Amino acid sequence: NAGVTQTPKFRVLKTGQSMTLLCAQDMNHEYMYWYRQDPGMGLRLIHYSVGEGTTAKGEVPDGYNVSRLKKQNFLLGLESAAPSQTSVYFCASSLVGQLETQYFGPGTRLLVL
Amino acid sequence: KQEVTQIPAALSVPEGENLVLNCSFTDSAIYNLQWFRQDPGKGLTSLLLIQSSQREQTSGRLNASLDKSSGRSTLYIAASQPGDSATYLCAAAYSGAGSYQLTFGKGTKLSVIP
Repeated sequence: NAGVTQTPKFRVLKTGQSMTLLCAQDMNHEYMYWYRQDPGMGLRLIHYSVGEGTTAKGEVPDGYNVSRLKKQNFLLGLESAAPSQTSVYFCASSLVGQLETQYFGPGTRLLVL
Repeated sequence: KQEVTQIPAALSVPEGENLVLNCSFTDSAIYNLQWFRQDPGKGLTSLLLIQSSQREQTSGRLNASLDKSSGRSTLYIAASQPGDSATYLCAAAYSGAGSYQLTFGKGTKLSVIP
């Protein structure tokens, strides 16, 4: 039981490049989330999903897109990366609701030059 | 908008001491209050979740309390150990924009000195 895994662990992009971050969970959780963590700020929710095929915007969704084609996977896309998107990105999941304990992945560190 | 504050930002204590970490929130209409631990370069690990109807939760050497009326939660760590060194974050769950969301504090970085 691996829990929540994230790919890649670290990535460097140039401004304007695109990339996709992959999150996978093997706990059969319905809900999945993408957060970003920046120095001096708390974690902020980017997008979330309440089930396969559904997504919703969080607090800071601009510049990101997401997809949940399979229950176990939640993808975060950056179509045209900007230096302001330099951050550590965390994926999380919870069983059946947003008020339950969330289980976090190890994070993806992204540097946009 | 809900705001969550954690004071102090950093704390250093000798091994064996009991300590308290503080978390305050501006909107008392929360559904629960969660405490997490984050080790350097790692993700968050859930420690305790206190429902809005509860006053406290305990797990081993950890005890978390919640006082909604004053907008405060505390995490008490008994007999601290070097392995407790990490950043501790609290998060308040509230209803906003048609869904439930967690608002995180910036964390308290704890160092336990052997």
